[in-house]
Amino acid sequence: AQSVSQHNHHVILSEAASLELGCNYSYGGTVNLFWYVQYPGQHLQLLLKYFSGDPLVKGIKGFEAEFIKSKFSFNLRKPSVQWSDTAEYFCAVNRPGYSTLTFGKGTMLLVSP
Amino acid sequence: SQTIHQWPATLVQPVGSPLSLECTVEGTSNPNLYWYRQAAGRGLQLLFYSVGIGQISSEVPQNLSASRPQDRQFILSSKKLLLSDSGFYLCAWRRTGNSRETQYFGPGTRLLVL
Repeated sequence: AQSVSQHNHHVILSEAASLELGCNYSYGGTVNLFWYVQYPGQHLQLLLKYFSGDPLVKGIKGFEAEFIKSKFSFNLRKPSVQWSDTAEYFCAVNRPGYSTLTFGKGTMLLVSP
Repeated sequence: SQTIHQWPATLVQPVGSPLSLECTVEGTSNPNLYWYRQAAGRGLQLLFYSVGIGQISSEVPQNLSASRPQDRQFILSSKKLLLSDSGFYLCAWRRTGNSRETQYFGPGTRLLVL
């Protein structure tokens, strides 16, 4: 079975710092990759996704993620975080043809003003 | 546009009591539906999913069950709650077909079993 690992459970940054959240998955075949975000008191929502093509994917609110197949990784990045980026971030994976997602355990990001 | 509703938002139940959580989707037809449990530090655990009326797949054996009596209604149930059933339950939907489709999540139900 596939699994998803998020390396950091908690990250604390100051505003304007750069962000990189790690995500690795275990499945060796073709995968679809997602990052979801849950802001305090809000629904879990999609940040960005990758299926094929350019491995650098841009999402909402200035986030981007890079798929590196050789490393089985899909790390999330943002050059300069804001206080409003405080949230929990989840990486998720599925395989083509499958209707379910496998989620990582999440990374709680706290951005101090 | 599509919306997803869950109720109740919060529930406090005694151990051994029954449970029924409801999820409904509006603005789409024949969606895939999902129940997840979210626990701090443990991410989202898929409990059940359904690709159609009356079709339920269970991902994790447990004290819970799911049903889909109507196309856009998904119910999570238990006959007798355990303390370990406490948690945050999320419902999600997705369009059928392509696995690239995004899952959309509801607001969740926070369940506390005492």
